[in-house]
Amino acid sequence: GAVVSQHPSRVICKSGTSVKIECRSLDFQATTMFWYRQFPKQSLMLMATSNEGSKATYEQGVEKDKFLINHASLTLSTLTVTSAHPEDSSFYICSALTGVSYEQYFGPGTRLTVT
Amino acid sequence: AQSVSQHNHHVILSEAASLELGCNYSYGGTVNLFWYVQYPGQHLQLLLKYFSGDPLVKGIKGFEAEFIKSKFSFNLRKPSVQWSDTAEYFCAVKGNNDMRFGAGTRLTVKP
Repeated sequence: GAVVSQHPSRVICKSGTSVKIECRSLDFQATTMFWYRQFPKQSLMLMATSNEGSKATYEQGVEKDKFLINHASLTLSTLTVTSAHPEDSSFYICSALTGVSYEQYFGPGTRLTVT
Repeated sequence: AQSVSQHNHHVILSEAASLELGCNYSYGGTVNLFWYVQYPGQHLQLLLKYFSGDPLVKGIKGFEAEFIKSKFSFNLRKPSVQWSDTAEYFCAVKGNNDMRFGAGTRLTVKP
């Protein structure tokens, strides 16, 4: 089946620094990738939709200048949390949409802790 | 805007009990419907999906779901749960190009 990876799986950073999270579709091309945020014991909240070669579409309330998304190729999307603050600590999950079956496959997530 | 409602926040069952988790959605167009499961410490896994055709969908691990268009519902069922079914279950609706998730239902199965 389709596999989506995320790197890193866990990251701890200091307040004010920036962190980049990578999302890769390993065995298929994904024209569309999604970034979600999951708070403890809560559901996934869609942050943005990323289309290869174009600007990401952000959900209401998500700061585009804080959460920079780049979808440079059909297999890679990156999320950069800029000037991170403790309230940005969360579990970030990406998913990739296959063009064949239009199913979404999820990555394992990245746990970000900002100290 | 589309939305997904899962009415049960936490369900506790004994092994062999039957399970039904509710999911209702609000969306005006054609939708694809999904149930995902998240076992403790693991990432989301697809249980089953409905795109079209037979509204009764069978998924992995003995789960099934029924799409009732008139009720905008896609409830998840399993005739006899096992301790290993303890997990968080998410209903999701995909319309156009994005996917919305319900708040999730935590299922605890007591041995």
